Amino acid sequence: SQQGEEDPQALSIQEGENATMNCSYKTSINNLQWYRQNSGRGLVHLILIRSNEREKHSGRLRVTLDTSKKSSSLLITASRAADTASYFCATTTSGGGADGLTFGKGTHLIIQP
Amino acid sequence: EAQVTQNPRYLITVTGKKLTVTCSQNMNHEYMSWYRQDPGLGLRQIYYSMNVEVTDKGDVPEGYKVSRKEKRNFPLILESPSPNQTSLYFCASSITYTGNTEAFFGQGTRLTVV
Repeated sequence: SQQGEEDPQALSIQEGENATMNCSYKTSINNLQWYRQNSGRGLVHLILIRSNEREKHSGRLRVTLDTSKKSSSLLITASRAADTASYFCATTTSGGGADGLTFGKGTHLIIQP
Repeated sequence: EAQVTQNPRYLITVTGKKLTVTCSQNMNHEYMSWYRQDPGLGLRQIYYSMNVEVTDKGDVPEGYKVSRKEKRNFPLILESPSPNQTSLYFCASSITYTGNTEAFFGQGTRLTVV
């Protein structure tokens, strides 16, 4: 079952600009993760934010989490051509089940040189 | 180097011909899982395993089997592949249940069933 939904589905910006992607989800979560996928390749973990955290940084990445709105955002600052990829949010639900990550459909980000 | 290795990377097969996609991780992870990725549908979990000899169904298990006889290996078996199983498949592993730790993904297996 689909839990996270990313928005927008696609985003094209100029190199050097900031890119913001949003993720909304439906049920209570334990934590939320963001992954990057370069075309046709495996997913790479970017950042994990727990349900009791509101903001987290990692290099040029900034993730926020608003559990009251059931939403998260990923901000990539000073974008580079190498940031061109698809970005997915993934959630794990509360309740202790072991059924792993539920992914959204992704935002395809294109950085124009 | 810590990694998840899938083989083969590309496979074209015919309907009904049994196949196995192998997955191996060298990080001593307990938790492993299989996903398929289809356009417009994102990634969906097929099966997962919390440890050796412990496996369970994900969201789309029909037509697939798995086994976990050793901690490092988690093969995906298609006993009688059909064209609707044409997809991009990913194996993933994590230290424990992926709820609290990052997952490491293999490079993917692109399967075409004709």
